Amino acid sequence: KQEVTQIPAALSVPEGENLVLNCSFTDSAIYNLQWFRQDPGKGLTSLLLIQSSQREQTSGRLNASLDKSSGRSTLYIAASQPGDSATYLCAVTTSGTYKYIFGTGTRLKVLA
Amino acid sequence: ETGVTQTPRHLVMGMTNKKSLKCEQHLGHNAMYWYKQSAKKPLELMFVYNFKEQTENNSVPSRFSPECPNSSHLFLHLHTLQPEDSALYLCASSQGWDSSGNTIYFGEGSWLTVV
Repeated sequence: KQEVTQIPAALSVPEGENLVLNCSFTDSAIYNLQWFRQDPGKGLTSLLLIQSSQREQTSGRLNASLDKSSGRSTLYIAASQPGDSATYLCAVTTSGTYKYIFGTGTRLKVLA
Repeated sequence: ETGVTQTPRHLVMGMTNKKSLKCEQHLGHNAMYWYKQSAKKPLELMFVYNFKEQTENNSVPSRFSPECPNSSHLFLHLHTLQPEDSALYLCASSQGWDSSGNTIYFGEGSWLTVV
């Protein structure tokens, strides 16, 4: 059974710092992996999608990497800003469908 | 404007009540989903509809009853719920059930409290 773990559960950093969020999954036979952002009391916004054949994706200050063999993904946020404060969720699917298995998220707070 | 609108945003109901959550997507998508998000637990997929046909029921109790009258609307009918059903219910939509290269869009959720 696929399980997704995100560490740390919560993180506080000063503004301007570069940071890394971690995601690990137990079954390496994934189809793709997505990183999402969730603001308090709101829905999820897709940030980056990595197909199983890819090793990384970039969007602005965000870079997500994927190492299938070790069951790991990282989300790198450069030059963090207070507006980046949110919960970041990682999700994987093994079936090529939207039947995603989600982690419990990392709650990020960027201090001004 | 997320393109996926959920109503109501907040709902308090007793265990004997019957209520419904509504979701509408304005993106022209063919697949719609209900997810449940409880405190301290990962997001759980409940139901999937693809072209109005239910393609997934993730062992959800029968006190939750989905309805998809067309590709733009999705309902979740609630009856005789339990306090442990209190959670954030998220609706989502995507161009198709195949996630390859497609983005999934979420609504802002309906906060449900069962008393």
